[in-house]
Amino acid sequence: GENVEQHPSTLSVQEGDSAVIKCTYSDSASNYFPWYKQELGKRPQLIIDIRSNVGEKKDQRIAVTLNKTAKHFSLHITETQPEDSAVYFCAAPPYKLIFGTGTLLAIQP
Amino acid sequence: KAGVTQTPRYLIKTRGQQVTLSCSPISGHRSVSWYQQTPGQGLQFLFEYFSETQRNKGNFPGRFSGRQFSNSRSEMNVSTLELGDSALYLCASSLIGGERNFGEGSWLTVV
Repeated sequence: GENVEQHPSTLSVQEGDSAVIKCTYSDSASNYFPWYKQELGKRPQLIIDIRSNVGEKKDQRIAVTLNKTAKHFSLHITETQPEDSAVYFCAAPPYKLIFGTGTLLAIQP
Repeated sequence: KAGVTQTPRYLIKTRGQQVTLSCSPISGHRSVSWYQQTPGQGLQFLFEYFSETQRNKGNFPGRFSGRQFSNSRSEMNVSTLELGDSALYLCASSLIGGERNFGEGSWLTVV
């Protein structure tokens, strides 16, 4: 069945450093890999996504890489800022969007 | 454009009661998904509807049900409430295979 594993569950980095969150999925038919950010008390919001026909996508300080052979994809945040503190969720279909368990990212000033 | 609207935002129910939550999707979105969010379990998929048909279902007991109307609005119902049903219930609408747009959620507390 579908399964998405996300690591780490918590991550603390110094402001200005980089953060990397990794997810693995089980269904080889998965073809769309979004990342959501959820700030405390707010709704999850899409920050970046990637489709299976590309290996990497970048949007300013955020990038996502995909390794279809190994069935994992990662979120990279560079030059972290305090406003990056939130819970980040990865997700994978193909038939229903299954979310990872989330990563609480804390940016230390 | 207006976002996803969920009502009610907050509610308190007693064990054994039932509850109905409503979700109005973004105009033009025909796919609606429901998720349960709890601190220890993250975002758990409940079900997904498209054109009034349930397309996918998560691993929840039969006490959890839903439906979608012809205008794409969706409702979910939980019967015989248990303390463990206390959670944030999130609805997300999308075009087929597209970005899920989440509502603010309905906070359910069962006492």
